Amino acid sequence: DTAVSQTPKYLVTQMGNDKSIKCEQNLGHDTMYWYKQDSKKFLKIMFSYNNKELIINETVPNRFSPKSPDKAHLNLHINSLELGDSAVYFCASSRQGLGQPQHFGDGTRLSIL
Amino acid sequence: EDQVTQSPEALRLQEGESSSLNCSYTVSGLRGLFWYRQDPGKGPEFLFTLYSAGEEKEKERLKATLTKKESFLHITAPKPEDSATYLCAVGADSWGKLQFGAGTQVVVTP
Repeated sequence: DTAVSQTPKYLVTQMGNDKSIKCEQNLGHDTMYWYKQDSKKFLKIMFSYNNKELIINETVPNRFSPKSPDKAHLNLHINSLELGDSAVYFCASSRQGLGQPQHFGDGTRLSIL
Repeated sequence: EDQVTQSPEALRLQEGESSSLNCSYTVSGLRGLFWYRQDPGKGPEFLFTLYSAGEEKEKERLKATLTKKESFLHITAPKPEDSATYLCAVGADSWGKLQFGAGTQVVVTP
């Protein structure tokens, strides 16, 4: 059973389009995250939700909007896609509390044409 | 600002040739230092958490250590299957925000 699963795995689309990425975790964790990994492989946090409440919101364009319908799901919607949005987006989850390890999905590779 | 620096950027080892990776950090109030392994096309896989200076953790051929300013990941007698990018991250708040380093790409040749 996959612990943190993301769909789709690959997303190829044109500039200006709107797209969504979905994430689900079956670990029973309270907290979920979105990360962006750029071409230099640098992982940077974008958002975090704890029990459906937004708790981390880094400096991310407001074209990116996360939504958490329940504790086990965290989706990422991106409006008006730009070339610079091309990256791998990772979802992760963890238990709530200090120093809890995060468990990652296998990523969604977004390519903007 | 919290910073995490990993060195070297890349490491090429012969099978059985032990080595160490370095992760230097500056953070106000460490909430854990994490090591992950990432294979191509996959998400980071959790390896260890270290919480305080002097702590050590081991798993198979990997051993992680922590001081007040840096952490080392020692790879003892590596095998080709240890080839991966190893990522270090520090937690600096109670909400799980992690600051990642850029990683060390390790290639182990037979």
